[in-house]
Amino acid sequence: NAGVTQTPKFQVLKTGQSMTLQCAQDMNHNSMYWYRQDPGMGLRLIYYSASEGTTDKGEVPNGYNVSRLNKREFSLRLESAAPSQTSVYFCASSDSPSGANVLTFGAGSRLTVL
Amino acid sequence: AQSVTQPDIHITVSEGASLELRCNYSYGATPYLFWYVQSPGQGLQLLLKYFSGDTLVQGIKGFEAEFKRSQSSFNLRKPSVHWSDAAEYFCAVGTPTNDYKLSFGAGTTVTVRA
Repeated sequence: NAGVTQTPKFQVLKTGQSMTLQCAQDMNHNSMYWYRQDPGMGLRLIYYSASEGTTDKGEVPNGYNVSRLNKREFSLRLESAAPSQTSVYFCASSDSPSGANVLTFGAGSRLTVL
Repeated sequence: AQSVTQPDIHITVSEGASLELRCNYSYGATPYLFWYVQSPGQGLQLLLKYFSGDTLVQGIKGFEAEFKRSQSSFNLRKPSVHWSDAAEYFCAVGTPTNDYKLSFGAGTTVTVRA
């Protein structure tokens, strides 16, 4: 059982380049999330998808777009990367779209923007 | 909106000694409370959660946490630490409203010395 799979694991971009982080879950979860992790700041929510066909902004959505392609897949796109987007990105999923949700996380994608 | 504070950025503990990690939250009612652990290079894994009922909750890997409403705290403990417990630990808070956003603390890094 793979759980939540993220690709790529590592990526280096130049300022202004674009890229898409892919996420897929095989647990039939309804909700999916993208977080970024920065030292001393914990995890901050970028975007989430409460259910297939819906997406909403989190705390730090600027500079990002998302697509809930189907129930399994939720991608995060950086249209024009900036050094401030250097971070570790985590995709997560949960069965229940509520404040009581238990999240299952992917292993993370480390992005460096030069 | 809810918030979470983990006062200790870094804790060093000897193998076999006890461990306590502090977590304080800000929310008007009883929130949903979580502890997650992140081993190096890995995603986050749920250790335990509190929704209601018995204020002392048991989790995986021998961890427990106690909810204290009067102190707005949810501290994590382990009686005897193993070298494999070296990791980063995150406290998180969710609320019983139609809000899908968990708030994470900044994390506490635990180093275990032989």
